[in-house]
Amino acid sequence: NAGVMQNPRHLVRRRGQEARLRCSPMKGHSHVYWYRQLPEEGLKFMVYLQKENIIDESGMPKERFSAEFPKEGPSILRIQQVVRGDSAAYFCASSPDGDYGYTFGSGTRLTVV
Amino acid sequence: QKEVEQNSGPLSVPEGAIASLNCTYSDRGSQSFFWYRQYSGKSPELIMFIYSNGDKEDGRFTAQLNKASQYVSLLIRDSQPSDSATYLCAVNRNNNDMRFGAGTRLTVKP
Repeated sequence: NAGVMQNPRHLVRRRGQEARLRCSPMKGHSHVYWYRQLPEEGLKFMVYLQKENIIDESGMPKERFSAEFPKEGPSILRIQQVVRGDSAAYFCASSPDGDYGYTFGSGTRLTVV
Repeated sequence: QKEVEQNSGPLSVPEGAIASLNCTYSDRGSQSFFWYRQYSGKSPELIMFIYSNGDKEDGRFTAQLNKASQYVSLLIRDSQPSDSATYLCAVNRNNNDMRFGAGTRLTVKP
């Protein structure tokens, strides 16, 4: 079992470009969560998805950010027109059932220059 | 009020001592509680979970839950330098998404 796979590990974007972050959950896991972490800070919830459905996106900025988890393929977190403040580590986690804790991927470190 | 609150630390204890990490949460309907350890530059890893009031022990780790006080704690006995990390308290709400505290940075000094 390969665990939660995130790619890329590091992503550099210029201001105004788009960033696409991918997450493949563990086999058998149908719940996917995205978190953002700034240096020396905790994990900030962004969005919770199940296959083809957004369950809770209350932590996601209304502008420029979107997420999907299609029937086939990885979950994608998309950030349009990136700004310097978007620089952070973005972690994806998955679970078979949210009651049993999450397994995290190794994260994508986004740097906006 | 933050959903999950932790003292940011840093908490420093000598090797072999007991480290005590505390967490409070605001949502009374929360059902399950987790402690994650995160080394610098790495992803969080689950070390303990607890659902019922009382204590739960796993090796050197003990999680304590008091739902009436909305309080969760983690005790690390015989602390080792390798325990130096940030410890994140997480609370799973009824709708199956988890909220994290900002973490407590623990340093265990040899």
